[in-house]
Amino acid sequence: GQQVMQIPQYQHVQEGEDFTTYCNSSTTLSNIQWYKQRPGGHPVFLIQLVKSGEVKKQKRLTFQFGEAKKNSSLHITATQTTDVGTYFCAGSTQGGSARQLTFGSGTQLTVLP
Amino acid sequence: GAGVSQTPSNKVTEKGKYVELRCDPISGHTALYWYRQSLGQGPEFLIYFQGTGAADDSGLPNDRFFAVRPEGSVSTLKIQRTERGDSAVYLCASSLLRSGANVLTFGAGSRLTVL
Repeated sequence: GQQVMQIPQYQHVQEGEDFTTYCNSSTTLSNIQWYKQRPGGHPVFLIQLVKSGEVKKQKRLTFQFGEAKKNSSLHITATQTTDVGTYFCAGSTQGGSARQLTFGSGTQLTVLP
Repeated sequence: GAGVSQTPSNKVTEKGKYVELRCDPISGHTALYWYRQSLGQGPEFLIYFQGTGAADDSGLPNDRFFAVRPEGSVSTLKIQRTERGDSAVYLCASSLLRSGANVLTFGAGSRLTVL
């Protein structure tokens, strides 16, 4: 079955430093989504990428979808304490059970003030 | 409603007991999903409903797990003969399916603890 892997599992950064998490799928994806889960909270949708090589920005967050549509990354510039949480990628494949998303195991970000 | 509502927020039960978890999706969202999240892990897909029918139940771990959505709105996840390994947060999500888009709005989850 489809597998989605994320690295690193944990990341501690000093406030103001940059942060990147990487997502790799065992199969070609039709789209990839990113979610953020605050401590004690539930996943909240951030963005969806659909096109090969697509890059999207949300303020300090930059999301990329690989050319082969099998990997993605999330980069945060100049982290703030409000960025604390776990970031999940979730991929969807075409055909079959196309409507289910497969989540990665997440990257837990800690920002030290 | 304004968001996805899940009840109970916490459930503690004994091994072997029967449990029901309820999800009330966003009004008008035709798609409903159940995921399970263990500590330190990402959400694990269980089942997906499109309307009243289970369009994909391939994630249900075994026949102790069952879910219904009789009127195409509220859904109930049912777990029979609970085991300690069933302890997790059960997340419900709904979405308004559009072509090429499948954005999930999650509820706060039901934390199940099996003693």
